[in-house]
Amino acid sequence: GENVEQHPSTLSVQEGDSAVIKCTYSDSASNYFPWYKQELGKRPQLIIDIRSNVGEKKDQRIAVTLNKTAKHFSLHITETQPEDSAVYFCAAGGGYGNKLVFGAGTILRVKS
Amino acid sequence: GAVVSQHPSRVICKSGTSVKIECRSLDFQATTMFWYRQFPKKSLMLMATSNEGSKATYEQGVEKDKFLINHASLTLSTLTVTSAHPEDSSFYICSARGSRPSQNIQYFGAGTRLSVL
Repeated sequence: GENVEQHPSTLSVQEGDSAVIKCTYSDSASNYFPWYKQELGKRPQLIIDIRSNVGEKKDQRIAVTLNKTAKHFSLHITETQPEDSAVYFCAAGGGYGNKLVFGAGTILRVKS
Repeated sequence: GAVVSQHPSRVICKSGTSVKIECRSLDFQATTMFWYRQFPKKSLMLMATSNEGSKATYEQGVEKDKFLINHASLTLSTLTVTSAHPEDSSFYICSARGSRPSQNIQYFGAGTRLSVL
């Protein structure tokens, strides 16, 4: 089955700096890669996703890149703000009808 | 985005009792719902996949007789923790996905914190 590894487990950055979180997956059949943000005690919220027919996707300060050959994808947050502090989860799935396998999560702390 | 409602948000029960958690999609039809368990500072561990009108598919190691899942309609799935014990204490969270291929995004409920005394 699919296995998703996520690094780093904890990331501290200064406000305004960039943050990068990386994930690798094992199943070459996976074709859908979402990123979720979870604040303490709250539900995971989808912040961006990418499908395997695209190499990069950007939404304002957030971008995701995908390297299918190497089976890894990354989340990039630019100009970080204190409200970006949360736990971020990557996930990989086989598309419609298939389940998502989540990474272990990254605690992002943005220091002001 | 789509709205998924989960109730109750918190429940405390005595050991040996059963607890039912509801997951509702409020503004879309959810042909598939997923139930996860999340330990403190840990990731989301999939327990089972629930398709409307059919039996749930459980992940390896999850006891289907202990965690009963029902998905009787396109907007409601329930998880019943039967004969709960302290080790069942955890954060349970559901997600729902629509029927169209463009709807394979999972939308999460707010979660239920279960404490078994």
